[in-house]
Amino acid sequence: DADVTQTPRNRITKTGKRIMLECSQTKGHDRMYWYRQDPGLGLQLIYYSFDVKDINKGEISDGYSVSRQAQAKFSLSLESAIPNQTALYFCATSDGTSDTQYFGPGTRLTVL
Amino acid sequence: AQSVTQPDIHITVSEGASLELRCNYSYGATPYLFWYVQSPGQGLQLLLKYFSGDTLVQGIKGFEAEFKRSQSSFNLRKPSVHWSDAAEYFCAVGSPGGGADGLTFGKGTHLIIQP
Repeated sequence: DADVTQTPRNRITKTGKRIMLECSQTKGHDRMYWYRQDPGLGLQLIYYSFDVKDINKGEISDGYSVSRQAQAKFSLSLESAIPNQTALYFCATSDGTSDTQYFGPGTRLTVL
Repeated sequence: AQSVTQPDIHITVSEGASLELRCNYSYGATPYLFWYVQSPGQGLQLLLKYFSGDTLVQGIKGFEAEFKRSQSSFNLRKPSVHWSDAAEYFCAVGSPGGGADGLTFGKGTHLIIQP
């Protein structure tokens, strides 16, 4: 089984809808991250969490929120989706000692 | 603030030829450096990483990278590419000690393999 899983893998939604993307990990890592990938822009950090009680904004957090329900679960929400949030979203984990990050398979989100 | 530059958006290489993908970083001290590969429709897989010590780092799939402090570079190399190496490659930098707010990624280099 994959160490970092994301659900759903693909989602098409309409402008204004609320969307939640979920991430689970079995690596036992404290740190979890959400990134967004757009063609030609690489990955940009949305939010990160160092433990259940610690949530931090990344460079592009506007329009997004997160919830760290447990050490193993980190969800990303779009309260009111808009078309320019169409992108590939990745969850990642890290043990915090080496900065090595382990990525999930990604969720492709399309907002119409 | 740290930053990463991958100067080549696309690179085309013939199968069996050697490969070098360039990466330059900006950071106040010696950073942690990473190369990741993303195959079509897939997530990111770690190829190799540099934290300290030997500046030539070996990774998976026959890749290696060399850290050159004087040039602020961490170029990725492979002596002979295979068609399966066609993918997007990302260089990333992180802060030593694991205190970073995530990794900073370059914009990626798209590798095309010609038969």
